[in-house]
Amino acid sequence: DQQVKQNSPSLSVQEGRISILNCDYTNSMFDYFLWYKKYPAEGPTFLISISSIKDKNEDGRFTVFLNKSAKHLSLHIVPSQPGDSAVYFCAASPNRDDKIIFGKGTRLHILP
Amino acid sequence: NAGVTQTPKFRILKIGQSMTLQCAQDMNHNYMYWYRQDPGMGLKLIYYSVGAGITDKGEVPNGYNVSRSTTEDFPLRLELAAPSQTSVYFCASRLTGAVGEKLFFGSGTQLSVL
Repeated sequence: DQQVKQNSPSLSVQEGRISILNCDYTNSMFDYFLWYKKYPAEGPTFLISISSIKDKNEDGRFTVFLNKSAKHLSLHIVPSQPGDSAVYFCAASPNRDDKIIFGKGTRLHILP
Repeated sequence: NAGVTQTPKFRILKIGQSMTLQCAQDMNHNYMYWYRQDPGMGLKLIYYSVGAGITDKGEVPNGYNVSRSTTEDFPLRLELAAPSQTSVYFCASRLTGAVGEKLFFGSGTQLSVL
């Protein structure tokens, strides 16, 4: 029973264009969402987050959009750079709960 | 500042052997987590701890045990290794249980059970 779903295993985007990574969730108790980035042979690192009281959060080239009614969030990277090639994990957490549940990840390839 | 340190980085076990994966953090974080990452399967929560002396099961706890005798250390024990436990294991920590508090991850332990 997958509560956080990233249905695209991989995505290729031209350098300089926009990368859009999608995430769906099934648990209506989730109210905080996070994106983590992972390079090979390293642990994941925090990228950006959003609370359910917002529908958008922006940090430099990275923007996360949340659509609560659709139980869907997306990460936009503009413009995409070679260093953005990595695996991106969507994660979610219910309020007052200590667990953080991750999706399967999407591998992003930035093409020169 | 070392952050979250995991040892060993690589290990090969025979079926039925036991081992302990070590995890230590020097950030005085109360919350610690163990995840496993199987190819194409994302990160699955094995066990977590909200403070010394307190542990709880995650999504996939079977075949593992943990202890938390100090704030700094959170070892993961495999008693009877099975091929299904071949995975990359990540330890993580965060300061509090506050929603949105980000996790800090170690660099992982790659375990193969043959």
